[in-house]
Amino acid sequence: AQSVTQLDSHVSVSEGTPVLLRCNYSSSYSPSLFWYVQHPNKGLQLLLKYTSAATLVKGINGFEAEFKKSETSFHLTKPSAHMSDAAEYFCVVSEGGATNKLIFGTGTLLAVQP
Amino acid sequence: NAGVTQTPKFQVLKTGQSMTLQCAQDMNHNSMYWYRQDPGMGLRLIYYSASEGTTDKGEVPNGYNVSRLNKREFSLRLESAAPSQTSVYFCASSLQTGGSYEQYFGPGTRLTVT
Repeated sequence: AQSVTQLDSHVSVSEGTPVLLRCNYSSSYSPSLFWYVQHPNKGLQLLLKYTSAATLVKGINGFEAEFKKSETSFHLTKPSAHMSDAAEYFCVVSEGGATNKLIFGTGTLLAVQP
Repeated sequence: NAGVTQTPKFQVLKTGQSMTLQCAQDMNHNSMYWYRQDPGMGLRLIYYSASEGTTDKGEVPNGYNVSRLNKREFSLRLESAAPSQTSVYFCASSLQTGGSYEQYFGPGTRLTVT
């Protein structure tokens, strides 16, 4: 069965410094992986997705993630944090097959200090 | 193009009351989903509908029923609300089932059961 583990429940960075949000996954085959962002009291917005094409995936708002099969990781990075990046981030793996069920990590809350 | 819309945005129920959460999408998507979000647990799938006319249980279906009214609309019903159903409920849709298709989320319904 697929699963995801987000290694940090809270991350705090200063504005202008790099962001690293860590995610490990477990999957019995080549997975589809996603990062979603949720701003306070809002729905979830897709940041980026990996579906077995290029291993380095670029998303919106300057975020990118690298799929590393040997490490079963899909970490999210951004070179320079902005105040508007403060939100909760979810790493997600698709169960695939006929159902497309998404398995969510428990989320990482990103705080950006001025 | 409104995407995925949900009504109501907020609801307070007494234990034992019933209600229906409404969801509609205007993206001509075939598949629709209902999730609940609880603190520290990410999102968990309640029910999904792979296509019009079909529905299936997700991870936490007990206490809920769904109706796929037509291609656009997918409703979630609580027949006899319980305090354990206090949560934020999200509806989502995707073009198809299958692992590579991302899901688009509505803004959520905050439900409190007293």
